[in-house]
Amino acid sequence: QKEVEQDPGPLSVPEGAIVSLNCTYSNSAFQYFMWYRQYSRKGPELLMYTYSSGNKEDGRFTAQVDKSSKYISLFIRDSQPSDSATYLCASDRGSTLGRLYFGRGTQLTVWP
Amino acid sequence: GAVVSQHPSRVICKSGTSVKIECRSLDFQATTMFWYRQFPKQSLMLMATSNEGSKATYEQGVEKDKFLINHASLTLSTLTVTSAHPEDSSFYICSARDILAPQAETQYFGPGTRLLVL
Repeated sequence: QKEVEQDPGPLSVPEGAIVSLNCTYSNSAFQYFMWYRQYSRKGPELLMYTYSSGNKEDGRFTAQVDKSSKYISLFIRDSQPSDSATYLCASDRGSTLGRLYFGRGTQLTVWP
Repeated sequence: GAVVSQHPSRVICKSGTSVKIECRSLDFQATTMFWYRQFPKQSLMLMATSNEGSKATYEQGVEKDKFLINHASLTLSTLTVTSAHPEDSSFYICSARDILAPQAETQYFGPGTRLLVL
């Protein structure tokens, strides 16, 4: 079983829709949870970061972590065509090693 | 924000040759850099963790003699693919951790290097 599981999609939604992206993880030691956005042929860029359980909001993006169910979510409100990208969830134990465990990534297309 | 550069952005080489990829942290010092490989429509696969001034730690299944990593300074790590073969064709991405902020969230990614071995 992979450390972090993520449905690769693809996911296609109309502009303005609410997008829900999800991951599950298996390692109870994970404490840090991140969402990265990766445009085609580019490196990932950090989008959201959450420590332990709870919600974090940044503009149209909300990251949610439920450690009891080992579930990670990213919600995008009022989605825009510029949000079209691959979204990768990642987790980390919080050790000084800083090793990230990535999901496969979900390919999102927002059409106008 | 912190910037990580990679050079070259893309390279095409003949089978059997060696290719060197550079990863630089432009405006911060990085004690640790990570090298990933990404195949089309796949996630990032960690190849190795590179610590400044010491030997790299390779993930299981990654040949350390084939993928040579050098982290000679706090701003530069290099990955050399030796005797490259077509199956080494992939997207190679590095990331760097900010020495002043050791938490995972301060891992910054480079733009990637696309390697094609003919």
